[in-house]
Amino acid sequence: ILNVEQSPQSLHVQEGDSTNFTCSFPSSNFYALHWYRWETAKSPEALFVMTLNGDEKKKGRISATLNTKEGYSYLYIKGSQPEDSATYLCALWEAGSYQLTFGKGTKLSVIP
Amino acid sequence: DADVTQTPRNRITKTGKRIMLECSQTKGHDRMYWYRQDPGLGLRLIYYSFDVKDINKGEISDGYSVSRQAQAKFSLSLESAIPNQTALYFCATSGSVGAGSGTQYFGPGTRLTVL
Repeated sequence: ILNVEQSPQSLHVQEGDSTNFTCSFPSSNFYALHWYRWETAKSPEALFVMTLNGDEKKKGRISATLNTKEGYSYLYIKGSQPEDSATYLCALWEAGSYQLTFGKGTKLSVIP
Repeated sequence: DADVTQTPRNRITKTGKRIMLECSQTKGHDRMYWYRQDPGLGLRLIYYSFDVKDINKGEISDGYSVSRQAQAKFSLSLESAIPNQTALYFCATSGSVGAGSGTQYFGPGTRLTVL
């Protein structure tokens, strides 16, 4: 069973603050790294799919970077807003595998 | 209309009962998945299917079975429900793997309680 770890488990930030969190994964057999955003009472929605070392993806105020050699990805949120409150999941797709392995998520709460 | 739908959305059942959770999708995807989510444990894969004739066990398949009735339909059954199967269940779909693909699209979830 793969070990995909996310940190921190949860965090609270003030509206307007920028924040970031980490996804760590085994660097061997890497194929792709996914980020999902999961709001309470809704279903997870894809943010990014990252495949190449050094990849940077951006969607509005949210961006992500990928380091496949050392096995980590960062998710950044610039100028957090209350609507950013959600659990952010990363998931690893290994080469030769047919499934995603999800981390436990980072739960972000943005305080107005 | 939602691309991935699940029925029922909520279900309370008793230990030993057989229960079926259904998933339908209109995305035209070949690949479908069933996950369960437990507090503090994240999403764990139960079963997955890459086409109607291809069904595979995931990380936690014991106590579950599935049926892929058509490309658009994938059902999860609990033959004899037990309390530790109380969880939030998600169905998901994805297209074939390729550059930028593999993204999974989730249904709204089914909250199952086994008393």
